[in-house]
Amino acid sequence: AQSVAQPEDQVNVAEGNPLTVKCTYSVSGNPYLFWYVQYPNRGLQFLLKYITGDNLVKGSYGFEAEFNKSQTSFHLKKPSALVSDSALYFCAYTGVNRDDKIIFGKGTRLHILP
Amino acid sequence: GAGVSQSPRYKVAKRGQDVALRCDPISGHVSLFWYQQALGQGPEFLTYFQNEAQLDKSGLPSDRFFAERPEGSVSTLKIQRTQQEDSAVYLCASSLQGTGGLLWANQPQHFGDGTRLSIL
Repeated sequence: AQSVAQPEDQVNVAEGNPLTVKCTYSVSGNPYLFWYVQYPNRGLQFLLKYITGDNLVKGSYGFEAEFNKSQTSFHLKKPSALVSDSALYFCAYTGVNRDDKIIFGKGTRLHILP
Repeated sequence: GAGVSQSPRYKVAKRGQDVALRCDPISGHVSLFWYQQALGQGPEFLTYFQNEAQLDKSGLPSDRFFAERPEGSVSTLKIQRTQQEDSAVYLCASSLQGTGGLLWANQPQHFGDGTRLSIL
């Protein structure tokens, strides 16, 4: 089955340190990959997407993600974490067909420690 | 505001009652999606509208769930004879147009803040 996996339920990072939130995918063909962030009691906010082209994608709030085809990964990264980055992060993908739905991972809770 | 608006934000109902959840998409957005987000999980697709047409309802968990978008703007998700397993956050999202593939990828979905439904 086609899916995305977020292997970590929670990630703790000290403020100012680099952060990585992991995502791997298992899809046939070329995936379209996304990262969304969800703050408490709020809907999801789009961060960035990979469609094609450069493997390093830059997005909102200083986040970036690297598409790695050989490792089937799309990890979210930020060079220097802020306390305000603490939230729930979802990796998602959709396929190339018009009827393909967006499939979300189960989410990773990111805690930035002051 | 310019975002997707959902109401009510919180809904508590007794098992067996009917509930109706409302979504006001961003003006001009053709596509509207409903998702169910259980505690500790990612959102799961329920149904999709393109204008007033419900093109995909494959994610609706049972025939107790019904969604409509009669004039191609506001949408209502109705749950009849609610059960405890219906307790979740229901998210609505809209996008300019398209679903799946490159059309969707170029026009990401904009989410509302959700309705938290609790069935007692």
